[in-house]
Amino acid sequence: AQTVTQSQPEMSVQEAETVTLSCTYDTSESNYYLFWYKQPPSRQMILVIRQEAYKQQNATENRFSVNFQKAAKSFSLKISDSQLGDTAMYFCAFMKHATSGGYQKVTFGTGTKLQVIP
Amino acid sequence: GAVVSQHPSWVICKSGTSVKIECRSLDFQATTMFWYRQFPKQSLMLMATSNEGSKATYEQGVEKDKFLINHASLTLSTLTVTSAHPEDSSFYICSVWGTGRGYTFGSGTRLTVV
Repeated sequence: AQTVTQSQPEMSVQEAETVTLSCTYDTSESNYYLFWYKQPPSRQMILVIRQEAYKQQNATENRFSVNFQKAAKSFSLKISDSQLGDTAMYFCAFMKHATSGGYQKVTFGTGTKLQVIP
Repeated sequence: GAVVSQHPSWVICKSGTSVKIECRSLDFQATTMFWYRQFPKQSLMLMATSNEGSKATYEQGVEKDKFLINHASLTLSTLTVTSAHPEDSSFYICSVWGTGRGYTFGSGTRLTVV
């Protein structure tokens, strides 16, 4: 079974600064996906960024980037130029790769509550 | 991306009554949908996997007779909380899987049982 660990229950960052959220995972799989989801106060789950394990290059989406260390099983999220709208719970998630393109269950971490301070 | 509509967004019901929550995939046919439960300040816990035209697959510890799931069409899955009690009060979220699209989540339903 896979496990996802987020060791930072809460974090804060000044507006316009950079913050890094940590995530580690444990798996025996070699091919999988990793995700960061954002859940703002509205409770809507929003995909922030995703990384395929077979890709060495770290994924980037505008101000969001990841540091994927496969050997260390680490998947941190860096938010640059933090904005007030980034205030939310952030969940790291793991999903095995499905060979036939079908679904696999997602395992979520416990979340990190990020507060962006004006 | 995919659009998933979940209804209602919040509901209050009396103890002992049943409540139905709908999850609709608005722009593509979803053969598989998922139902999660989220307690305050906690992560999402998968309750069951809903497959169109067949019985749902429940996670260990989830009472299938309490949480009835119906996935009768490719665009609609429903979760019925039967004989609800205060301990069933929670936030329920559905998600839809689409090959090539990944997961898309509904906006959630806050259930309060009084």
